[in-house]
Amino acid sequence: GAVVSQHPSWVICKSGTSVKIECRSLDFQATTMFWYRQFPKQSLMLMATSNEGSKATYEQGVEKDKFLINHASLTLSTLTVTSAHPEDSSFYICSASLVGGTEAFFGQGTRLTVV
Amino acid sequence: QKEVEQNSGPLSVPEGAIASLNCTYSDRVSQSFFWYRQYSGKSPELIMSIYSNGDKEDGRFTAQLNKASQYVSLLIRDSQPSDSATYLCAVYNNNDMRFGAGTRLTVKP
Repeated sequence: GAVVSQHPSWVICKSGTSVKIECRSLDFQATTMFWYRQFPKQSLMLMATSNEGSKATYEQGVEKDKFLINHASLTLSTLTVTSAHPEDSSFYICSASLVGGTEAFFGQGTRLTVV
Repeated sequence: QKEVEQNSGPLSVPEGAIASLNCTYSDRVSQSFFWYRQYSGKSPELIMSIYSNGDKEDGRFTAQLNKASQYVSLLIRDSQPSDSATYLCAVYNNNDMRFGAGTRLTVKP
């Protein structure tokens, strides 16, 4: 199947700093990438949908100025958590859809801990 | 609001039994349906996709879709302890992928 690489797999940062998470589709072009957040023992919550070359569409309740999403190419999307706080600590997962397809393939996830 | 509903479980079955996982969705125009398996602390992995009404079999897994009832299910035959995980139902329509809360399955040896 298609491979999606997410980096870093885990990160610890100080409160008030920013963290960037990368999501790459390694062997296919992804027109659409999804960013999810998952708290312990809860389901994936969609944060935003990003389409290459256009602004991301954020879900209700997700602050677009805090969670900056860039999808500059068909193989790379980034999520930047700005001014991180301990309540932002979570498992962040990206997924990417094939061009013209409907299946989404997940990255390995990034466990963010803000101290 | 688009919703995907799953019984959170936990669902416990003995080894070798059939595990049945159910999912309903609210968006009638949904196009594609997926089952993902997620082990604790790991990212979800795709195990089945289904696009048209009826059954789709892949090894020990069978997905069933009934669009009229807005219902999709996953059957796992000959369940193994390694199948113990959380199973997520996902519904896709027009660049929008929504997940259910997941059903936690435990297969007891």
